[in-house]
Amino acid sequence: QKEVEQDPGPLSVPEGAIVSLNCTYSNSAFQYFMWYRQYSRKGPELLMYTYSSGNKEDGRFTAQVDKSSKYISLFIRDSQPSDSATYLCAMSFNQAGTALIFGKGTTLSVSS
Amino acid sequence: DAGITQSPRHKVTETGTPVTLRCHQTENHRYMYWYRQDPGHGLRLIHYSYGVKDTDKGEVSDGYSVSRSKTEDFLLTLESATSSQTSVYFCAISDPGSSGTVDFGPGTRLTVT
Repeated sequence: QKEVEQDPGPLSVPEGAIVSLNCTYSNSAFQYFMWYRQYSRKGPELLMYTYSSGNKEDGRFTAQVDKSSKYISLFIRDSQPSDSATYLCAMSFNQAGTALIFGKGTTLSVSS
Repeated sequence: DAGITQSPRHKVTETGTPVTLRCHQTENHRYMYWYRQDPGHGLRLIHYSYGVKDTDKGEVSDGYSVSRSKTEDFLLTLESATSSQTSVYFCAISDPGSSGTVDFGPGTRLTVT
């Protein structure tokens, strides 16, 4: 079983839709959970960060962590064509970044 | 891209030739990383550095070496490039206590023919 599982998609939605992206993981030691967004031919950029369990909201984006189920989610409300990108989940058990494990990414396409 | 530059941005080279990729940061961050990104594999850590002259191996370090002689520069060397090293290489940086997050550079697209 891989440490972090993420459905690669692609996921296609119309503009304005609510998008749900998910990852599951197997290592219960993970404490820090992130979502990165990567546009085509660009480097990943940090989108959301959550420590331990709970929800975090930033504008149209909401990150959820359920440690009991080993499941994290990213919700995008009122999706826009500019949200079209690959979304990578990532998680770590330390603060230094040396133990960061990435999912393979889900490609999202939002059509206008 | 968080004060990170990578050079070259694109390179085509032949099998068996040495290749050096450079990462330069202006953030004075302690940690620097080299990742490769491949379809079907995602991002995988090659090597990282936790200080000048302090480096350690990551998940896929075979065939790669690194050096860090200054805080701002981290070099990745492929001693004898192979076709399996065709990939997109990303440099990343972080500081202790960064909550596990890293900031990525723009990437270098390397093709080994």
